[in-house]
Amino acid sequence: GAVVSQHPSWVICKSGTSVKIECRSLDFQATTMFWYRQFPKQSLMLMATSNEGSKATYEQGVEKDKFLINHASLTLSTLTVTSAHPEDSSFYICSARFLTGPREQYFGPGTRLTVT
Amino acid sequence: AQKVTQAQTEISVVEKEDVTLDCVYETRDTTYYLFWYKQPPSGELVFLIRRNSFDEQNEISGRYSWNFQKSTSSFNFTITASQVVDSAVYFCALSALIQGAQKLVFGQGTRLTINP
Repeated sequence: GAVVSQHPSWVICKSGTSVKIECRSLDFQATTMFWYRQFPKQSLMLMATSNEGSKATYEQGVEKDKFLINHASLTLSTLTVTSAHPEDSSFYICSARFLTGPREQYFGPGTRLTVT
Repeated sequence: AQKVTQAQTEISVVEKEDVTLDCVYETRDTTYYLFWYKQPPSGELVFLIRRNSFDEQNEISGRYSWNFQKSTSSFNFTITASQVVDSAVYFCALSALIQGAQKLVFGQGTRLTINP
């Protein structure tokens, strides 16, 4: 149990285009999902907390207009990188936490974004 | 401050050796959770263990064991008889209340290489 999927697993896009990444909790419901960014050989950096049915909460320094987050249901959250630039190239990871019970986050496999 | 420190950036050992990964945390919360995650080369974070601040019992799971000591604010992870498949980056994390929301604070990670 507690499986989180992400799609796509990797994507290459041209500068100026937008890219949408999906995060799904496959076998449990999650009112809260998280989006992280990870640069090579570095730790995870929390970008935003995604709450079902309400606006996402962004961490300081993260542009909300650039990284659009939508959490439309208890099993799906999406991250859209708008007008992508090469500096947005990174490994994006989502996680989900159970509605109740254990407090650990379960992570998706990540999406590697390359902007050319 | 809510902080996790993994002082060992990289560790390299020969297969079958025992290895301990250190984790020291800081928190102002009286109730908190500590976690260990494994990130293999594929990139997906794998949940290993959760420890409640009220439970200082050590835990053993196969070749893995964890030593939680509140007196020293440490939550160390030991792999016994290491195997090549244990090679990965290991993250220690603290669930902390930050700006009214529960978030994971990650350490910088320890890259563990097990050589055959």
